[in-house]
Amino acid sequence: QSALTQPASVSGSPGQSITISCTGTNSDVGTYILVSWYQQHSGQAPKLLIYEGNKRPSGVSDRFSGSKSGNTASLTISGLQAEDEADYYCCSYAGSSTWVFGGGTKLTVL
Amino acid sequence: QVQLQESGPGLVKPSETLSLTCTVSGGSISNYYWSWIRQPAGKKLEWIGRIYTTGTTNYNPSLRSRVSMSLDTSKNQISLKVQSMTAADTAVYYCVRGPFPPAMSFESWGQGILVTVSS
Repeated sequence: QSALTQPASVSGSPGQSITISCTGTNSDVGTYILVSWYQQHSGQAPKLLIYEGNKRPSGVSDRFSGSKSGNTASLTISGLQAEDEADYYCCSYAGSSTWVFGGGTKLTVL
Repeated sequence: QVQLQESGPGLVKPSETLSLTCTVSGGSISNYYWSWIRQPAGKKLEWIGRIYTTGTTNYNPSLRSRVSMSLDTSKNQISLKVQSMTAADTAVYYCVRGPFPPAMSFESWGQGILVTVSS
């Protein structure tokens, strides 16, 4: 069970859109739609942003969207805001009642 | 809204067993899955395992030999034990509700508790 691969960092200016990728294997992302995304501000607990690949919990801005193609899931943030600066983690079901996280991506809003 | 609060020692000696408790308020622990997730400083999240209110457990294969989880429905608490602690186990430990069908995501998180392994 290996960690999912995410870029270490991404950046964008306010108002722009950015996409964070999350690459797994045929044992996790490639087989299951059960990919979720989490936002973690410095010193805080993670917060659920996206579940089942592209669904948003109540209260999460529609500026956050998720998608998947093959072994890669993606999180897109549109209309970047300063408050979006945080770490972002993907997570996938990996079969046999186990879950695996990505290495995390630090988003900097320029 | 459900709230989760982790408690336990902030410092554990190498080779000792870590015992953490998660107290849930604002809702019952019944009929939900509960997980423990940890995060070493500056590093990624790692799923440790989950427990259902029937006592059924699933563990991360990499930690299975050292980890056990239990719950007390009368106290609305979930517990985690990690044996043979080493410096590599130093991390913030989070208690989390989930994952459960159909979303299979980690939906509510405690604030976390920092556990340091040092003599």
